[in-house]
Amino acid sequence: GAGVSQSPSNKVTEKGKDVELRCDPISGHTALYWYRQSLGQGLEFLIYFQGNSAPDKSGLPSDRFSAERTGGSVSTLTIQRTQQEDSAVYLCASSLSGSGYGYTFGSGTRLTVV
Amino acid sequence: SQQGEEDPQALSIQEGENATMNCSYKTSINNLQWYRQNSGRGLVHLILIRSNEREKHSGRLRVTLDTSKKSSSLLITASRAADTASYFCATEGTGFQKLVFGTGTRLLVSP
Repeated sequence: GAGVSQSPSNKVTEKGKDVELRCDPISGHTALYWYRQSLGQGLEFLIYFQGNSAPDKSGLPSDRFSAERTGGSVSTLTIQRTQQEDSAVYLCASSLSGSGYGYTFGSGTRLTVV
Repeated sequence: SQQGEEDPQALSIQEGENATMNCSYKTSINNLQWYRQNSGRGLVHLILIRSNEREKHSGRLRVTLDTSKKSSSLLITASRAADTASYFCATEGTGFQKLVFGTGTRLLVSP
């Protein structure tokens, strides 16, 4: 597609429920990233996929968070047993390669855990 | 932890004035990038400067990089109300293929 597409744009969920966030990167971009941003804060790195390499999961805050990227394209970020502190905007980005290129960001998913 | 720190945290200017934002970082980098964010959603890539470059221009934007001081500045000339946004610097560290973002500068340009 022309840009990075994320869905849903907004999600309200009850504490303890699982949620899935989807990211459709730009076609041909081999690198895909997930970040999250709490209100008024900077971006916190979560996970990075590059081609067929093992993902860099070093930013995932707990084992309740997981992500996969199928066929080198669409990615899903899953949060199990959501907590109120998981409330944030989850941003996905893709880039042409893993180094030396700017990122194209999606519009994000605003997650609210009540 | 976040590597980049922007200064100032907030900046308020009049249309037509220049806006300067600074970014400091802690480790060696491959490149440094600047992004703009409107309304707390997706970020837009503005400019990338590599570690062997000292200055780069794009339209009304001018970026400088001083690797000896581990700092960068973003200058927006002849600002417009539409430039109102948050601006983030992000660094790609040597050996790390992901960007680490700073905390951002909120710029308000008044007509």
